[in-house]
Parts: sequence; C-alpha cells; structure tokens
Amino acid sequence: GQQVMQIPQYQHVQEGEDFTTYCNSSTTLSNIQWYKQRPGGHPVFLIQLVKSGEVKKQKRLTFQFGEAKKNSSLHITATQTTDVGTYFCAPRDNYGQNFVFGPGTRLSVLP
Amino acid sequence: NAGVTQTPKFRILKIGQSMTLQCAQDMNHNYMYWYRQDPGMGLKLIYYSVGAGITDKGEVPNGYNVSRSTTEDFPLRLELAAPSQTSVYFCASNLIGTEAFFGQGTRLTVV
Repeated sequence: GQQVMQIPQYQHVQEGEDFTTYCNSSTTLSNIQWYKQRPGGHPVFLIQLVKSGEVKKQKRLTFQFGEAKKNSSLHITATQTTDVGTYFCAPRDNYGQNFVFGPGTRLSVLP
Repeated sequence: NAGVTQTPKFRILKIGQSMTLQCAQDMNHNYMYWYRQDPGMGLKLIYYSVGAGITDKGEVPNGYNVSRSTTEDFPLRLELAAPSQTSVYFCASNLIGTEAFFGQGTRLTVV
C-alpha cells in the first residue's frame, strides 16, 4: 500500500527564518493536498496540487509538486508566530478512495 | 451552513462502556471520514464512506463500527471502550477530489 513520509518531524525556528517541510510518497500520486492544524484545533485545508511540477503561492507560503508526482514541499518565507502548528500532507493516488494523511511536521516559532 | 458538526465535544468513559460519536454535515458531501489523533501524533483513518449505505475500513478500524444511513450523518460507535481508545476523534467530509472539511473534534478519555 501507499507509504507517506514527512520530514522533518519537528522544526524549531526563530521568527523571521524560513521553513520547509517535505512529503514523500512511495507511489505516483494523482494529487496532493496540504493542511494546517493549530495547537488544540482541527486540520484546515491550505492547497491542492494536481499537475506535475506545479508551484502555487499563498502570500508567504509556496507549495510545490514534484515532476514525478511522488513528492511535494511546503516552504514558508520569514516565519511568524501565527505559523505555529502542524502541517500535514494528504496524498491521493489513482486507486484509493480513502483519505490518508502524512505524519505531519510540527513547527514552532520562537519570537 | 454549519459545515461538519461533531457531538459531544468532550466525553469521559469507563472501561467497557459503549458510546456513539455523532457527525453531521450539511454540504451534501458524498465522502465522509473518521480519524483519531493521539497526543502529538498524526491522523489515523478509522473508517470512511463514499456514500449512503457504503462504508469501508481505514488504517485502524478495530474496536469501532460505523453506519451511513443518510448522506448527512456518519456516526462512529465504540463498543467496550478501552484506555487505548483515549484520543481526539475528528470527522471530515468532502466531495471527491476536493478539500476536506473537518469538525471541531471529540476529546475522549477512557478511564
């Protein structure tokens, strides 16, 4: 079955530093979604990537889908304390109807 | 629209008791999901449904049961609660290929 890895598991940064999390799948993906979960909250949708090599930006967040559609990344420029939380990828392959999530990367931002 | 509504928000169960976690969505989504999230960990898929009358097991279905008699409702049943079922439970829904919307979660403690 599909295996999903996210690295790093934890990241501590100083406010203003950049942050990147990577999501890697063992199978070729149909698309991938990213979610953010604030401490004590529920996951909230950020973005969906569909095309090979696709890059999407949301203010300080940049999302990228790999050329082979087996990996993705989320980059945050100049982190702020509001970026604190856990970032999950949710890769979708061509076969599964279920909706699994990667293990997540927990980001803490020191002011 | 209320989105995805979960009840109760908190519950303490004694070992061996049973309960039903309620989940309702008013967005006419065909896909619905139940996840559990242990402290500091990721989301594990318990059960999912692709439409009324259709359910399937996820990654960690043991100790749980679900039903989907209507498009709107997807209750999760815990039989013979065990301490290992202490967790936060999230219900989510979506249309195929689109973003998932999550409920606020149910925090369950089994003592």
